[in-house]
Amino acid sequence: ETGVTQTPRHLVMGMTNKKSLKCEQHLGHNAMYWYKQSAKKPLELMFVYSLEERVENNSVPSRFSPECPNSSHLFLHLHTLQPEDSALYLCASSQEAQAQGLAFFGQGTRLTVV
Amino acid sequence: GESVGLHLPTLSVQEGDNSIINCAYSNSASDYFIWYKQESGKGPQFIIDIRSNMDKRQGQRVTVLLNKTVKHLSLQIAATQPGDSAVYFCAENHGNDYKLSFGAGTTVTVRA
Repeated sequence: ETGVTQTPRHLVMGMTNKKSLKCEQHLGHNAMYWYKQSAKKPLELMFVYSLEERVENNSVPSRFSPECPNSSHLFLHLHTLQPEDSALYLCASSQEAQAQGLAFFGQGTRLTVV
Repeated sequence: GESVGLHLPTLSVQEGDNSIINCAYSNSASDYFIWYKQESGKGPQFIIDIRSNMDKRQGQRVTVLLNKTVKHLSLQIAATQPGDSAVYFCAENHGNDYKLSFGAGTTVTVRA
């Protein structure tokens, strides 16, 4: 275990549904991240939070809405997704945003949009 | 634009042999490189990193080589074991920009 926990592990949702992904870390890290990992494609950074403030929004569609209520929790709210949004969504945390390379990753949520 | 890529999408290696996984990058300003391992059903795991002021760095059974002249990075795994079966990918960044660029990955399969 890396200390970063994601729930649920698997999620199937319709295009009209609203769901949320949850990430939790108790490593005392100040930065948290959402990544998208599609098959055969490089990892894509979606959002970066540092001390609960969003510091990076990597041109992500508004149907993905992150929330960081405190330094230990990160959510990704999903609504009106498209089938091409099906992917593995990974959360990660690091001591600080400048240490992204040393981040600890969760196991991911496998999302299928039908 | 920037790109980070791996030469081969798959690699099959006999248990006990050495593995070499390659990665090419295009941004000559990149100064920090990382190798990750991702096992099935798990998130990526940091293996080893190297800064641009070094050519080689060794860890436990792993060695990363950096050739800045040709913008090439490699990961060598000594005495490959079944537990080394995973997807390996590289990442790079430059300066104070904390945004990493990731490669697509090489799937390593270890044959018994």
